[in-house]
Amino acid sequence: ETGVTQTPRHLVMGMTNKKSLKCEQHLGHNAMYWYKQSAKKPLELMFVYSLEERVENNSVPSRFSPECPNSSHLFLHLHTLQPEDSALYLCASSQDYLGQGRAEAFFGQGTRLTVV
Amino acid sequence: DAKTTQPNSMESNEEEPVHLPCNHSTISGTDYIHWYRQLPSQGPEYVIHGLTSNVNNRMASLAIAEDRKSSTLILHRATLRDAAVYYCILSAAANAGGTSYGKLTFGQGTILTVHP
Repeated sequence: ETGVTQTPRHLVMGMTNKKSLKCEQHLGHNAMYWYKQSAKKPLELMFVYSLEERVENNSVPSRFSPECPNSSHLFLHLHTLQPEDSALYLCASSQDYLGQGRAEAFFGQGTRLTVV
Repeated sequence: DAKTTQPNSMESNEEEPVHLPCNHSTISGTDYIHWYRQLPSQGPEYVIHGLTSNVNNRMASLAIAEDRKSSTLILHRATLRDAAVYYCILSAAANAGGTSYGKLTFGQGTILTVHP
């Protein structure tokens, strides 16, 4: 148990469906991240929220829409996905240390998404 | 982002020490060296991090070369539960929107196999 909880753990959705992934942390962290892990590829950083503001969007298609309503919750809204979007989606959180890169990140277990 | 180079795979026997190498010749003065590991079907787990000096914690030791262009993660006595993908990451502080946050860029990592 890392303190970062993701739901659901598994999701199968059709290409015309709309679904949402949820991430919750009660570690008091002020930065939250979405990563995508496809088969045989490194983790790819998708979005970063710092102090509830989106500060990074790594050229992610608009069919992925993040939302951070407060410092403890992060969502990833999905619509009209493609089969190649099937992957493990991981949420992480960390505590910012201004001007430093020493933040330890805590990851959730991930949501295994299959698009059919 | 500064890159790291790790062997694709390594093998060890149970109860023996394991030395996992990482090269990061383009490291900058402010980059922290982080190690994470990912067990099958789980999210990455923080192992250890350091800046210039060697570091020890309950999971592992981190030996950092004097010129900081390489580092070694040391598992003192490997167990079967240490079988995982180990990632060496240079964590840079990123700045955007008036805030800073730690940014982890994952590579392929080293697949560690531990034999009974």
